[in-house]
Amino acid sequence: GAVVSQHPSRVICKSGTSVKIECRSLDFQATTMFWYRQFPKKSLMLMATSNEGSKATYEQGVEKDKFLINHASLTLSTLTVTSAHPEDSSFYICSARDAGFGTDTQYFGPGTRLTVL
Amino acid sequence: KQEVTQIPAALSVPEGENLVLNCSFTDSAIYNLQWFRQDPGKGLTSLLLIQSSQREQTSGRLNASLDKSSGRSTLYIAASQPGDSATYLCAVSQETSGSRLTFGEGTQLTVNP
Repeated sequence: GAVVSQHPSRVICKSGTSVKIECRSLDFQATTMFWYRQFPKKSLMLMATSNEGSKATYEQGVEKDKFLINHASLTLSTLTVTSAHPEDSSFYICSARDAGFGTDTQYFGPGTRLTVL
Repeated sequence: KQEVTQIPAALSVPEGENLVLNCSFTDSAIYNLQWFRQDPGKGLTSLLLIQSSQREQTSGRLNASLDKSSGRSTLYIAASQPGDSATYLCAVSQETSGSRLTFGEGTQLTVNP
């Protein structure tokens, strides 16, 4: 299957700093990527849909100025957590949609563990 | 708004047992349903995907069924092994939005040797 990578896999930062997380589709082009957040022992909650070349679509209750999403190319989307606070600590997972000829499948990255001190 | 529920939240079984995980969803207008596996601190591995027109899918010791009209799916694991220990997540995609997924909270499975 197709591969989606995330970088970094783990990050610890001080409160008030900004953190950027990258999501890459390694062997296919993804016009659409999704960003999810997962709390311990909880399900994945969709934060936003990232569309290449246009603005992201945020889910209700997600602050777009807090969680900046950029999808500048067909293989890369970034999520920047601005002015991070301890309550932003979570597991962030991206997925990339492969909607090429004859397929429409979502592939997930390995996740990024963010800890804000 | 679609809601996905998984029962039980946790399950512990001895090695070799056959087991069933349950998933229910409130809006039957789905595009497809997927079962994922998640190991602690890791991303998701897709196990089985069932299109809305299908009734079941099989892969090795795994069999997933779908009853769209009643809003239910089951994941059957035969002859469970300790390596099957993980959290199993069910997710549905709505007809209108294609690939957006709504996840259940998962079933944490422990298979004891």
